[in-house]
Amino acid sequence: EAQVTQNPRYLITVTGKKLTVTCSQNMNHEYMSWYRQDPGLGLRQIYYSMNVEVTDKGDVPEGYKVSRKEKRNFPLILESPSPNQTSLYFCASKGTGGAIGYTFGSGTRLTVV
Amino acid sequence: SQKIEQNSEALNIQEGKTATLTCNYTNYSPAYLQWYRQDPGRGPVFLLLIRENEKEKRKERLKVTFDTTLKQSLFHITASQPADSATYLCALYSSNTGKLIFGQGTTLQVKP
Repeated sequence: EAQVTQNPRYLITVTGKKLTVTCSQNMNHEYMSWYRQDPGLGLRQIYYSMNVEVTDKGDVPEGYKVSRKEKRNFPLILESPSPNQTSLYFCASKGTGGAIGYTFGSGTRLTVV
Repeated sequence: SQKIEQNSEALNIQEGKTATLTCNYTNYSPAYLQWYRQDPGRGPVFLLLIRENEKEKRKERLKVTFDTTLKQSLFHITASQPADSATYLCALYSSNTGKLIFGQGTTLQVKP
């Protein structure tokens, strides 16, 4: 089944403790992206990657890092999480061809205390 | 500044009726517009895409219109069912920035 897989689904952590949220897609998509979703603010893009070894900042990149060493994986790294990073996070991917839809993962609900 | 506006108030309709959701935007020249469905706590699911040179697109009970003069898209669900209850997001792709920007979504509640 074609899908984007995120792990973990839920995570509670403490301020300052480094964490990684993994994202993997099995559709051979070039484009991958991370979003966070907060009440009243909608989906906001954190980082995106057009292909392997190419990453760019989205609209809210502060406090996050990403890497794209392989086509299928696009992990999101929080080096020193803070409570304002408590949010629902989604990974998405898209193939080439321009006007096609994104495939989203099921989400990771992160709480930083 | 650039804005995408969807009605933040929930839309409540009776089963069998047509639901119409609105997406307005300002200061964008989108190459295309997409609609997604999102259930609580789940990832958005792609429904339809309409290009800037298209007026209307249909898929089963779904219909999307795109008016670049009014800077508006309408999303219709005909013969609505309780299973259609969800939040619907519109998203604009800007060829200038290469980004897909989402509206905040409108929640639809279909009552039996």
